[in-house]
Amino acid sequence: EAGVVQSPRYKIIEKKQPVAFWCNPISGHNTLYWYLQNLGQGPELLIRYENEEAVDDSQLPKDRFSAERLKGVDSTLKIQPAELGDSAVYLCASSFSINTEAFFGQGTRLTVV
Amino acid sequence: GENVEQHPSTLSVQEGDSAVIKCTYSDSASNYFPWYKQELGKGPQLIIDIRSNVGEKKDQRIAVTLNKTAKHFSLHITETQPEDSAVYFCAASNSGAGSYQLTFGKGTKLSVIP
Repeated sequence: EAGVVQSPRYKIIEKKQPVAFWCNPISGHNTLYWYLQNLGQGPELLIRYENEEAVDDSQLPKDRFSAERLKGVDSTLKIQPAELGDSAVYLCASSFSINTEAFFGQGTRLTVV
Repeated sequence: GENVEQHPSTLSVQEGDSAVIKCTYSDSASNYFPWYKQELGKGPQLIIDIRSNVGEKKDQRIAVTLNKTAKHFSLHITETQPEDSAVYFCAASNSGAGSYQLTFGKGTKLSVIP
């Protein structure tokens, strides 16, 4: 069974440009998470979806970040415009429910120059 | 909100020795404590977890202990091997409150010297 798939693996963009990350969770997993991981730090939750509903987005900087999970399966995370400080690894994770273990994808490493 | 402290930040051990990583948490309502291993260029991978109704859990060379009174939990790796070298993260959450937000520690870089 395929794990959580993220793309692209790496992305380099100039500041003020838009960028989007894509995540395909494990089949049948209703809960999807986007985490931000800065260098040398643990992951920090940005947003959590239960099916297609965003139920916890308190840590998402809504002025420049947006996310969607149409049809409750794949999800995209967008930044517009990107800033230098957004350089980090963006991790997607999924779980069958909120009370079961979360499986992480390999992440997208974003570099803003 | 929850705060998780993890120590040490780096740990070097000789192959075959044991490694211990410790974490403390602040929210007494937290009831789920997973440990993740992250290798270079990969996402975190769950290696063991423990819930607050259990004091200890073991899986082959890996064990986790939980002290709810002191609000700390530890990861123990015995008979370390070079492939155990990675960054290890502890985390905590309160799954019973309808929120499964994992709060992670800052990680421990474990190096196993052959």
